[in-house]
Amino acid sequence: KQEVTQIPAALSVPEGENLVLNCSFTDSAIYNLQWFRQDPGKGLTSLLLIQSSQREQTSGRLNASLDKSSGRSTLYIAASQPGDSATYLCAVNQAGTALIFGKGTTLSVSS
Amino acid sequence: SAVISQKPSRDICQRGTSLTIQCQVDSQVTMMFWYRQQPGQSLTLIATANQGSEATYESGFVIDKFPISRPNLTFSTLTVSNMSPEDSSIYLCSVERHGTEAFFGQGTRLTVV
Repeated sequence: KQEVTQIPAALSVPEGENLVLNCSFTDSAIYNLQWFRQDPGKGLTSLLLIQSSQREQTSGRLNASLDKSSGRSTLYIAASQPGDSATYLCAVNQAGTALIFGKGTTLSVSS
Repeated sequence: SAVISQKPSRDICQRGTSLTIQCQVDSQVTMMFWYRQQPGQSLTLIATANQGSEATYESGFVIDKFPISRPNLTFSTLTVSNMSPEDSSIYLCSVERHGTEAFFGQGTRLTVV
């Protein structure tokens, strides 16, 4: 059974710092991996999708990498801003299933 | 991308009552998914809603408690029946485009008192 783990569970950084969020999964047979952002009490906003054949994806200050063989992904946020404060969720997609989520990393960026 | 409108965005309900959550997508999709997010937890899939057939429920979720409708390829509803305080959660609908990227509605924050 696929399990997705995210560390750390919470992270606090000052504005301007670069940071890395980690995601690991137990079964490497995935179609893709997706990173989401969730603001308190709200829905999910898709940030980046990495298909299984890809190694990384970039969008603005965000860069996500995928090492399928080792079951790991990282989300790199450059020059963090207070507006980046949110919970970041990692999820994997396998054949015939809906997304399987990690518990998320709650990020707080102080000004 | 897909634009998903979910309503209500939040509600406070009395125990024993039912609430129906609506999810409207801006384009036709084969499958829609309903998730629950309990306080401080990640998302758990409730069921997959297919147009023209019964919804497929995950272990621990039953149709009597969470009936789902899927009348067409752009719309679905989830009803939370006979609510108790344990049903207080965020409920989210989701779609996938081309079997890859998933998109979510803005969620329904339910509080049962």
